[in-house]
Amino acid sequence: QAGLTQPPSVSKALRQTATFTCTGNSNNVGNQGAAWLQQHQGHPPKLVYYRNNNRPSGISERFSASRSGNTASLTIAGLQPEDEADYYCSAWDRSLNTWVFGGGTKLTVL
Amino acid sequence: EVQLVESGGGLVQPGGSLRLSCAASRFTFSTYWMSWVRQAPGKGLEWVANIKEDGSETYYVDSVKGRFTISRDNAKNSLFLQMNSLRAEDTGVYYCARDSFPTDLDYWGQGALVTVSS
Repeated sequence: QAGLTQPPSVSKALRQTATFTCTGNSNNVGNQGAAWLQQHQGHPPKLVYYRNNNRPSGISERFSASRSGNTASLTIAGLQPEDEADYYCSAWDRSLNTWVFGGGTKLTVL
Repeated sequence: EVQLVESGGGLVQPGGSLRLSCAASRFTFSTYWMSWVRQAPGKGLEWVANIKEDGSETYYVDSVKGRFTISRDNAKNSLFLQMNSLRAEDTGVYYCARDSFPTDLDYWGQGALVTVSS
Protein backbone atom coordinates (compact mmCIF):
# COMPACT_ATOMS: atom_id res chain seq x y z
CA GLN A 1 0.00 0.00 0.00
CA ALA A 2 1.21 3.54 -0.81
CA GLY A 3 2.49 5.59 2.11
CA LEU A 4 2.96 9.28 2.76
CA THR A 5 6.12 11.08 1.65
CA GLN A 6 8.46 12.72 4.16
CA PRO A 7 12.05 13.94 3.75
CA PRO A 8 14.42 11.51 5.52
CA SER A 9 16.27 14.08 7.59
CA VAL A 10 16.34 17.68 8.82
CA SER A 11 19.23 19.34 10.68
CA LYS A 12 18.87 22.64 12.48
CA ALA A 13 20.78 24.56 15.12
CA LEU A 14 19.63 24.98 18.71
CA ARG A 15 16.86 27.61 19.07
CA GLN A 16 16.17 27.65 15.31
CA THR A 17 12.94 26.55 13.64
CA ALA A 18 12.43 23.20 11.90
CA THR A 19 9.61 22.40 9.49
CA PHE A 20 8.63 18.89 8.39
CA THR A 21 6.46 18.15 5.38
CA CYS A 22 4.21 15.19 4.64
CA THR A 23 2.69 14.68 1.19
CA GLY A 24 -0.18 12.34 0.43
CA ASN A 25 -3.24 12.49 -1.80
CA SER A 26 -6.91 13.43 -1.72
CA ASN A 27 -7.84 10.16 0.00
CA ASN A 28 -5.66 10.68 3.05
CA VAL A 29 -3.88 13.97 3.85
CA GLY A 30 -6.08 15.92 1.44
CA ASN A 31 -9.19 14.48 3.10
CA GLN A 32 -8.71 15.25 6.80
CA GLY A 33 -5.06 16.25 7.18
CA ALA A 34 -2.34 14.31 9.01
CA ALA A 35 -1.47 13.63 12.61
CA TRP A 36 2.13 13.88 13.81
CA LEU A 37 4.03 11.46 16.02
CA GLN A 38 7.37 11.89 17.77
CA GLN A 39 9.57 8.90 18.51
CA HIS A 40 12.74 9.06 20.55
CA GLN A 41 15.26 6.28 20.07
CA GLY A 42 14.16 3.16 21.94
CA HIS A 43 10.76 4.55 22.88
CA PRO A 44 7.23 4.16 21.48
CA PRO A 45 5.72 6.88 19.29
CA LYS A 46 3.92 9.76 20.99
CA LEU A 47 1.23 11.92 19.39
CA VAL A 48 2.35 15.54 19.23
CA TYR A 49 -0.35 16.92 16.91
CA TYR A 50 -3.88 15.78 16.19
CA ARG A 51 -5.15 15.49 12.64
CA ASN A 52 -7.54 18.39 13.31
CA ASN A 53 -4.56 20.67 13.95
CA ASN A 54 -4.86 20.75 17.72
CA ARG A 55 -2.06 20.00 20.18
CA PRO A 56 -2.52 17.26 22.80
CA SER A 57 -2.37 18.32 26.41
CA GLY A 58 1.21 18.59 27.62
CA ILE A 59 2.77 19.24 24.22
CA SER A 60 4.81 22.43 24.03
CA GLU A 61 3.36 25.50 22.31
CA ARG A 62 6.54 25.49 20.25
CA PHE A 63 4.85 22.80 18.12
CA SER A 64 2.41 23.90 15.42
CA ALA A 65 0.87 22.25 12.37
CA SER A 66 -0.92 23.19 9.17
CA ARG A 67 -2.15 21.74 5.87
CA SER A 68 -2.33 22.96 2.31
CA GLY A 69 -4.05 20.62 -0.11
CA ASN A 70 -2.40 17.20 0.04
CA THR A 71 0.59 18.37 2.09
CA ALA A 72 0.69 18.66 5.87
CA SER A 73 3.43 20.42 7.82
CA LEU A 74 4.73 20.32 11.40
CA THR A 75 6.83 23.21 12.69
CA ILE A 76 8.92 23.25 15.85
CA ALA A 77 10.10 26.68 16.96
CA GLY A 78 12.99 27.40 19.33
CA LEU A 79 14.55 23.95 18.95
CA GLN A 80 15.71 22.24 22.13
CA PRO A 81 17.97 19.19 22.54
CA GLU A 82 14.99 17.07 23.62
CA ASP A 83 13.29 17.71 20.25
CA GLU A 84 15.87 15.49 18.55
CA ALA A 85 13.81 12.47 17.44
CA ASP A 86 12.10 10.84 14.48
CA TYR A 87 8.85 12.48 13.36
CA TYR A 88 6.14 10.55 11.52
CA CYS A 89 2.93 11.73 9.89
CA SER A 90 -0.13 9.48 9.72
CA ALA A 91 -3.55 9.54 8.11
CA TRP A 92 -6.45 7.16 7.44
CA ASP A 93 -6.76 6.45 3.72
CA ARG A 94 -10.44 6.23 2.83
CA SER A 95 -9.74 4.50 -0.48
CA LEU A 96 -7.35 1.82 0.82
CA ASN A 97 -9.15 1.46 4.20
CA THR A 98 -5.79 1.48 5.94
CA TRP A 99 -3.75 3.81 8.12
CA VAL A 100 -0.79 5.13 6.17
CA PHE A 101 2.41 6.56 7.58
CA GLY A 102 5.22 8.65 6.22
CA GLY A 103 8.67 7.10 6.21
CA GLY A 104 9.70 9.42 9.04
CA THR A 105 12.00 12.43 9.26
CA LYS A 106 15.00 12.31 11.57
CA LEU A 107 15.55 15.65 13.29
CA THR A 108 19.08 16.49 14.38
CA VAL A 109 19.51 19.50 16.64
CA LEU A 110 23.02 20.87 16.20
CA GLU B 1 -3.61 8.56 31.70
CA VAL B 2 -4.40 5.87 29.10
CA GLN B 3 -2.36 2.73 29.60
CA LEU B 4 -1.67 0.02 27.02
CA VAL B 5 0.55 -2.95 27.88
CA GLU B 6 1.53 -5.51 25.25
CA SER B 7 2.62 -9.07 25.97
CA GLY B 8 3.24 -12.32 24.14
CA GLY B 9 6.23 -11.40 22.03
CA GLY B 10 9.20 -13.70 21.57
CA LEU B 11 11.32 -15.79 19.23
CA VAL B 12 9.51 -18.05 16.77
CA GLN B 13 10.62 -20.09 13.78
CA PRO B 14 9.46 -19.23 10.25
CA GLY B 15 6.05 -20.74 9.66
CA GLY B 16 5.24 -20.64 13.35
CA SER B 17 2.52 -18.83 15.30
CA LEU B 18 2.37 -16.28 18.07
CA ARG B 19 -0.44 -14.48 19.86
CA LEU B 20 0.03 -10.93 21.09
CA SER B 21 -2.13 -9.39 23.79
CA CYS B 22 -2.69 -5.79 24.81
CA ALA B 23 -4.18 -4.91 28.19
CA ALA B 24 -5.94 -1.55 28.16
CA SER B 25 -6.82 0.61 31.15
CA ARG B 26 -7.80 4.11 32.22
CA PHE B 27 -10.23 4.67 29.37
CA THR B 28 -13.51 3.14 28.19
CA PHE B 29 -12.03 0.42 25.96
CA SER B 30 -15.35 -0.63 24.42
CA THR B 31 -15.91 2.81 22.86
CA TYR B 32 -12.72 2.93 20.80
CA TRP B 33 -11.34 1.27 17.71
CA MET B 34 -7.93 -0.30 18.36
CA SER B 35 -4.93 -0.87 16.09
CA TRP B 36 -1.72 -2.85 15.87
CA VAL B 37 1.30 -1.10 14.35
CA ARG B 38 4.72 -2.65 13.84
CA GLN B 39 8.24 -1.39 13.36
CA ALA B 40 11.00 -3.50 11.83
CA PRO B 41 14.49 -2.97 13.30
CA GLY B 42 15.83 0.41 12.18
CA LYS B 43 12.77 1.06 10.00
CA GLY B 44 9.65 3.20 10.08
CA LEU B 45 6.13 2.52 11.32
CA GLU B 46 3.82 0.12 9.47
CA TRP B 47 0.16 -0.21 10.37
CA VAL B 48 -0.94 -3.85 10.61
CA ALA B 49 -4.64 -4.05 11.47
CA ASN B 50 -7.50 -2.41 13.33
CA ILE B 51 -10.83 -3.40 14.80
CA LYS B 52 -14.06 -1.54 15.45
CA GLU B 53 -15.40 -0.92 18.96
CA ASP B 54 -17.69 -3.98 18.92
CA GLY B 55 -15.42 -6.16 16.79
CA SER B 56 -17.80 -6.11 13.82
CA GLU B 57 -15.30 -4.57 11.39
CA THR B 58 -11.63 -5.28 10.85
CA TYR B 59 -9.06 -4.05 8.35
CA TYR B 60 -5.59 -5.38 7.53
CA VAL B 61 -2.52 -4.36 5.57
CA ASP B 62 -2.21 -6.54 2.46
CA SER B 63 0.98 -8.26 3.62
CA VAL B 64 -0.74 -9.93 6.61
CA LYS B 65 -4.17 -10.72 5.17
CA GLY B 66 -5.01 -14.38 5.62
CA ARG B 67 -2.21 -14.86 8.17
CA PHE B 68 -3.01 -12.45 11.02
CA THR B 69 -6.29 -12.04 12.90
CA ILE B 70 -7.12 -9.11 15.16
CA SER B 71 -9.73 -9.59 17.88
CA ARG B 72 -10.83 -8.06 21.16
CA ASP B 73 -12.55 -8.92 24.44
CA ASN B 74 -14.34 -5.83 25.72
CA ALA B 75 -15.27 -7.56 28.98
CA LYS B 76 -11.56 -7.95 29.73
CA ASN B 77 -10.37 -4.69 28.14
CA SER B 78 -8.05 -6.68 25.93
CA LEU B 79 -6.87 -6.61 22.33
CA PHE B 80 -5.26 -9.55 20.54
CA LEU B 81 -3.28 -10.29 17.41
CA GLN B 82 -3.07 -13.93 16.31
CA MET B 83 -0.12 -14.29 13.94
CA ASN B 84 0.20 -17.47 11.87
CA SER B 85 2.57 -18.53 9.08
CA LEU B 86 5.14 -16.06 10.37
CA ARG B 87 7.92 -14.89 8.07
CA ALA B 88 11.29 -13.27 8.71
CA GLU B 89 9.89 -9.98 7.44
CA ASP B 90 7.32 -9.98 10.26
CA THR B 91 10.16 -9.37 12.73
CA GLY B 92 9.84 -6.15 14.69
CA VAL B 93 8.30 -4.37 17.62
CA TYR B 94 4.51 -4.58 17.65
CA TYR B 95 2.66 -1.68 19.23
CA CYS B 96 -0.91 -1.61 20.41
CA ALA B 97 -2.49 1.80 19.77
CA ARG B 98 -5.79 3.41 20.64
CA ASP B 99 -7.46 4.25 17.36
CA SER B 100 -9.65 7.35 17.35
CA PHE B 101 -10.85 6.24 13.93
CA PRO B 102 -10.53 7.83 11.45
CA THR B 103 -8.55 10.71 12.88
CA ASP B 104 -5.69 9.72 15.19
CA LEU B 105 -3.69 6.88 16.71
CA ASP B 106 -3.51 8.78 19.95
CA TYR B 107 -2.01 6.49 22.60
CA TRP B 108 0.59 3.78 22.18
CA GLY B 109 1.88 0.93 24.31
CA GLN B 110 5.54 0.21 24.97
CA GLY B 111 5.63 -2.53 22.34
CA ALA B 112 6.32 -6.27 22.16
CA LEU B 113 9.30 -7.65 20.24
CA VAL B 114 8.60 -10.43 17.77
CA THR B 115 11.59 -12.18 16.20
CA VAL B 116 11.02 -14.69 13.42
CA SER B 117 14.19 -16.67 12.87
CA SER B 118 15.45 -20.24 12.65
